[in-house]
Amino acid sequence: QQQVKQSPQSLIVQKGGISIINCAYENTAFDYFPWYQQFPGKGPALLIAIRPDVSEKKEGRFTISFNKSAKQFSLHIMDSQPGDSATYFCAASPDRGGGKLIFGQGTELSVKP
Amino acid sequence: GAVVSQHPSRVICKSGTSVKIECRSLDFQATTMFWYRQFPKQSLMLMATSNEGSKATYEQGVEKDKFLINHASLTLSTLTVTSAHPEDSSFYICSASPAGGYEQYFGPGTRLTVT
Repeated sequence: QQQVKQSPQSLIVQKGGISIINCAYENTAFDYFPWYQQFPGKGPALLIAIRPDVSEKKEGRFTISFNKSAKQFSLHIMDSQPGDSATYFCAASPDRGGGKLIFGQGTELSVKP
Repeated sequence: GAVVSQHPSRVICKSGTSVKIECRSLDFQATTMFWYRQFPKQSLMLMATSNEGSKATYEQGVEKDKFLINHASLTLSTLTVTSAHPEDSSFYICSASPAGGYEQYFGPGTRLTVT
């Protein structure tokens, strides 16, 4: 199954809070899991990515948690700021997929001041 | 960071005409480039994958004669929408992957409006 399921569809968080977005997949051949941030009218920007050989990766306020056995991964945004308000997409790529990314449905994050 | 540019950023054309969109990797060589289409409030839909010097691979349901893709060099891919119709109006985004890498870096997108 090539799908990546993302939740929630939308999320409202207070400034300074933690934003959590979850993704789940079925295909065990997926071996690369990036997260992208997209502002209205712009292309997606690569935020952070993880491979299945680690369970967590942190870059600044952004952390990916990866659970290989549950086939789930999540993005945590610590100390969320109004400037983080954007749409976030998770994605997955199979190791023999020629780099093709399968995207989740997206989460619209709004951080209230 | 890796930079991908697209030109034009916006284009308005009349129904029946063709439009060419350019995608360039500015600071790396991209063996593979991808073209996506995105409707408002929706996810990215992969249209095709192109490898430098070979024919593009189109996703199921994407008309290859309507969406012509050329990947002439390691830094340039073009998408031509032929005989455009209003239903082709959308946000078209390209991405590029450096040789041997998993990462995909996206361009800023092109807003196509067909009147």
